Amino acid sequence: QKEVEQDPGPLSVPEGAIVSLNCTYSNSAFQYFMWYRQYSRKGPELLMYTYSSGNKEDGRFTAQVDKSSKYISLFIRDSQPSDSATYLCAIYTGRRALTFGSGTRLQVQP
Amino acid sequence: GAVVSQHPSWVICKSGTSVKIECRSLDFQATTMFWYRQFPKQSLMLMATSNEGSKATYEQGVEKDKFLINHASLTLSTLTVTSAHPEDSSFYICSAREGGVDQPQHFGDGTRLSIL
Repeated sequence: QKEVEQDPGPLSVPEGAIVSLNCTYSNSAFQYFMWYRQYSRKGPELLMYTYSSGNKEDGRFTAQVDKSSKYISLFIRDSQPSDSATYLCAIYTGRRALTFGSGTRLQVQP
Repeated sequence: GAVVSQHPSWVICKSGTSVKIECRSLDFQATTMFWYRQFPKQSLMLMATSNEGSKATYEQGVEKDKFLINHASLTLSTLTVTSAHPEDSSFYICSAREGGVDQPQHFGDGTRLSIL
């Protein structure tokens, strides 16, 4: 079982839709949960960072952590074509570097 | 804040040459820097981790003599691909972290390396 699993998509939604992106992880001891956005041919950009169960909101983005279910989510409200990118979850699993999910490709159709 | 600059963004060179890629943290001190490789439509593959003033720690399967990493200061790390060959063509991305593992990694914009 992979430490961090993420549905690769692609996920296609109409403009204005609410997008839900998810990752599961294998060990309830993992902590420090992040979401990155990566545009084509660019480096990943940090979107959200949280370390506890619950919700964290920043503008149109909400990060949710459910430690009991070992499940994290990123919600995007009022999605825009400019949100089209690959979204990567990342979790600190005790290794030297963050452990990344495989990334979900999102396409928001105008 | 937390800006990481990577240079060059794109390089094309002949087989057999060596290529150096720079990674700088512009507004913070990077106690740890990371180098990744990414193939098209795939996730990030960690190559090595380095702490300032120490030798880099390479991931299994990464040739340390091929990919030389230097982390001489708290704001600069370099990756040198020695005697590059076409199979080394890839997208290389650095990231930097200030402080401990509870801090996020911040990424540069990557370097597209093409070996002819």
